[in-house]
Amino acid sequence: AQKITQTQPGMFVQEKEAVTLDCTYDTSDPSYGLFWYKQPSSGEMIFLIYQGSYDQQNATEGRYSLNFQKARKSANLVISASQLGDSAMYFCAMRASNTGKLIFGQGTTLQVKP
Amino acid sequence: DSGVTQTPKHLITATGQRVTLRCSPRSGDLSVYWYQQSLDQGLQFLIQYYNGEERAKGNILERFSAQQFPDLHSELNLSSLELGDSALYFCASSTQRTANTEAFFGQGTRLTVV
Repeated sequence: AQKITQTQPGMFVQEKEAVTLDCTYDTSDPSYGLFWYKQPSSGEMIFLIYQGSYDQQNATEGRYSLNFQKARKSANLVISASQLGDSAMYFCAMRASNTGKLIFGQGTTLQVKP
Repeated sequence: DSGVTQTPKHLITATGQRVTLRCSPRSGDLSVYWYQQSLDQGLQFLIQYYNGEERAKGNILERFSAQQFPDLHSELNLSSLELGDSALYFCASSTQRTANTEAFFGQGTRLTVV
C-alpha cells in the first residue's frame, strides 16, 4: 500500500530564514511522482512543485526546492527566504504511475514569524 | 487562478438532504478527480473520471455518486447527508489519464450539514 507521512504537525520559522518540511513515502511502484501543495487559510490547494521518481536532479521552483532522497524514500520541501505569506498548511502527496489519484500526508502547518 | 472552477463555494444544508457540487476542469484537461478534506480523515481521494468514463474509485460512500459530462464538466452528488459529511470538497483536473506532472485544484466547496 502507498503511504505518505508528514511527521511535523506544526513548524515555526523566522522571516527570511530557510525551512525544511519533512515528507517520507512508501510505495512498491518503481515509477511514481511526488508533489507538494500549499493550502492557505482561505482553503485553496496551490500546486508548488513536482518530482518524478526517475528524475536525476532535485526539482526547484523559485524559492521552493525538493530534497529527493530515493533510497531513504524522503521528499522534503525546502523553502528559502521565508515570507509572511508562506504561512499556510503544506501537504506532501504521491501519485503512482498506474493511477492518477494523489495520496496525501496529514500536512504541516507552517507559521512565519516577522 | 488554477483554471479549475468549482461551484458553489459554500453550501449549508440539513441532514437527509441531497446536494450537487459542480466542477469545470481546466481547458484541455480530460481527467477530473474529486477529493474530500475533513478534520478527522484528512484529504481523501473519492473518484476519478477520464473523458467521461469512471477511471478510479477511492473511499467514496455509496450515498455519493459522480459523473462527467460530454463537455468534461463533472458533478458530485451527495445524498442522505449526515453531519459527518461536512467537509471541504475539491475537484482537480489534469491532462492525462494516469501519471502527470501536475494536478490543479479548484478552490473547493465547503459543505456544512446541520
